[in-house]
Amino acid sequence: GAVVSQHPSWVICKSGTSVKIECRSLDFQATTMFWYRQFPKQSLMLMATSNEGSKATYEQGVEKDKFLINHASLTLSTLTVTSAHPEDSSFYICSARGQGRQETQYFGPGTRLLVL
Amino acid sequence: AQSVTQPDIHITVSEGASLELRCNYSYGATPYLFWYVQSPGQGLQLLLKYFSGDTLVQGIKGFEAEFKRSQSSFNLRKPSVHWSDAAEYFCAVISGGYNKLIFGAGTRLAVHP
Repeated sequence: GAVVSQHPSWVICKSGTSVKIECRSLDFQATTMFWYRQFPKQSLMLMATSNEGSKATYEQGVEKDKFLINHASLTLSTLTVTSAHPEDSSFYICSARGQGRQETQYFGPGTRLLVL
Repeated sequence: AQSVTQPDIHITVSEGASLELRCNYSYGATPYLFWYVQSPGQGLQLLLKYFSGDTLVQGIKGFEAEFKRSQSSFNLRKPSVHWSDAAEYFCAVISGGYNKLIFGAGTRLAVHP
């Protein structure tokens, strides 16, 4: 149980295009999902927290117009990187926390984004 | 502010040797503590967690961790390391309100044959 998937696992795009990353909880309902960014050989940096049906809460320094987060259902959250630039290239990881699992976050496998 | 310190950036052990990865936290209330493992290019897998009760916690893959309130520590141990244990290990603590995970910087484990 507690499986989280991400799609795609990797994506290459041209500068100026938008990229959507999906995060799904496969066997539980995720009332809260989190989006992280990880640079090489570094720890995870929380970008935003999203609760189902509500607007996401962004961490300080994260551009909400740049990184659009939607959490329309209890099993799906999406992160859209708008007008991507090379500096947005990174490893993006989502996690999900469900009802009755208030403390534990389960992580997806990550999405590697390369912007050319 | 809550924080997590993993003093060892990189550790190398021989296969079959014992392992201890250190984690210290700074948190005013009773902490919820976690250890996650990340293989290269992968997401994070939960190894074990401590919320309350027995301070020695058993996890997956033969790992265990001990919560010591007096030392503000939650060190991860394994009696005999396997080559497949080579990965990045992250200690984390939940901040107030069951909201954010605060991660340590991680410890990269290399295993020599």
